Amino acid sequence: GAVVSQHPSWVICKSGTSVKIECRSLDFQATTMFWYRQFPKQSLMLMATSNEGSKATYEQGVEKDKFLINHASLTLSTLTVTSAHPEDSSFYICSASRFSSGGLYNEQFFGPGTRLTVL
Amino acid sequence: DAKTTQPTSMDCAEGRAANLPCNHSTISGNEYVYWYRQIHSQGPQYIIHGLKNNETNEMASLIITEDRKSSTLILPHATLRDTAVYYCIATPGNTPLVFGKGTRLSVIA
Repeated sequence: GAVVSQHPSWVICKSGTSVKIECRSLDFQATTMFWYRQFPKQSLMLMATSNEGSKATYEQGVEKDKFLINHASLTLSTLTVTSAHPEDSSFYICSASRFSSGGLYNEQFFGPGTRLTVL
Repeated sequence: DAKTTQPTSMDCAEGRAANLPCNHSTISGNEYVYWYRQIHSQGPQYIIHGLKNNETNEMASLIITEDRKSSTLILPHATLRDTAVYYCIATPGNTPLVFGKGTRLSVIA
């Protein structure tokens, strides 16, 4: 159980186009979903936190108008990279969380990642 | 979240136990110690977590010192597939996980 999927797994696009990445929790309802970005040889950096039906909370330095997040249901969140440029090329990873069985903490499960290359 | 310190890299012979240390000297009483790993070009994989007691599951064991200022992740019989970056995170468990640089474990045949 606790599987998170992402689609697509990789995408190549031209500079100036927009790209949408989907994140789904397949076998559980996620209280919250998170989006991370990872550049080569670096660690994951949290971009934003999203809850179903409300606006996402972005980390400092992340442009909300460039990285649009829609959290339509308890099992689906999307990240749209608008007007992508080569510097947006990165590995984008989502995660979904749910409360533990005892409700004491959140369990966070990660998707396999989406590699975006902008030409 | 409390800051954690891990060695940059470690090597381990295949079949031997891999012991990965983590220092979290400023950990708060309500913070758990989580371990995740990331195999190249994949999303992070949950390994284990604990609060103050030692924990064991099918993947690993987690040993937390009595003062909770440090912990060790033990992979009892490392295989080549265990080669990955291992992240130790101290967090209260109700906030998003914040990743440091982790330890790059190389399992050598």
